[in-house]
Amino acid sequence: QKEVEQDPGPLSVPEGAIVSLNCTYSNSAFQYFMWYRQYSRKGPELLMYTYSSGNKEDGRFTAQVDKSSKYISLFIRDSQPSDSATYLCAMSGGSARQLTFGSGTQLTVLP
Amino acid sequence: DAMVIQNPRYQVTQFGKPVTLSCSQTLNHNVMYWYQQKSSQAPKLLFHYYDKDFNNEADTPDNFQSRRPNTSFCFLDIRSPGLGDAAMYLCATTAGANVLTFGAGSRLTVL
Repeated sequence: QKEVEQDPGPLSVPEGAIVSLNCTYSNSAFQYFMWYRQYSRKGPELLMYTYSSGNKEDGRFTAQVDKSSKYISLFIRDSQPSDSATYLCAMSGGSARQLTFGSGTQLTVLP
Repeated sequence: DAMVIQNPRYQVTQFGKPVTLSCSQTLNHNVMYWYQQKSSQAPKLLFHYYDKDFNNEADTPDNFQSRRPNTSFCFLDIRSPGLGDAAMYLCATTAGANVLTFGAGSRLTVL
């Protein structure tokens, strides 16, 4: 079993839809949770960063962490074609050296 | 302006012909990473530098070497590329926290 599981998709939604992306994990030591966005042929860029459990909102993006269920989510409201990318979840117990990535979910938002 | 710059963006090489990929950063971060990312897979950590201290992941093949001549630059050398080494190679930096800043990547094709 992988430490971090992420549905690879692909996921295709119409413009304006609410998108839900999810990861599950098995390591209870993970405390820091991140979502990276990776456009085609580009490097990942940090989208959201959360410590421990709870919600964090930034514009159209909301990150949720449920440590009791070992489950994290990224919600995108009013999705736009420019949101089309691969979304990678990542998590660690305390240092970037220990960062563990999911395999990414490929999202396409259709105009 | 790009803060982590990778060159070349695209590299084509022949089976067994050595390749060097470069990474430079303007962030003055003391930690630099090299990741290998294959299609639809999570980035896989190859090695990292904490200042000049080199740290090799246990499963990184001997075929892969790295150099960091100064804070700003880091190189990835693939001594004898095989077909299985075709991938995107990502350089990332951090000041020591969990958040990584990635370059745009170098895509390696092995013929």
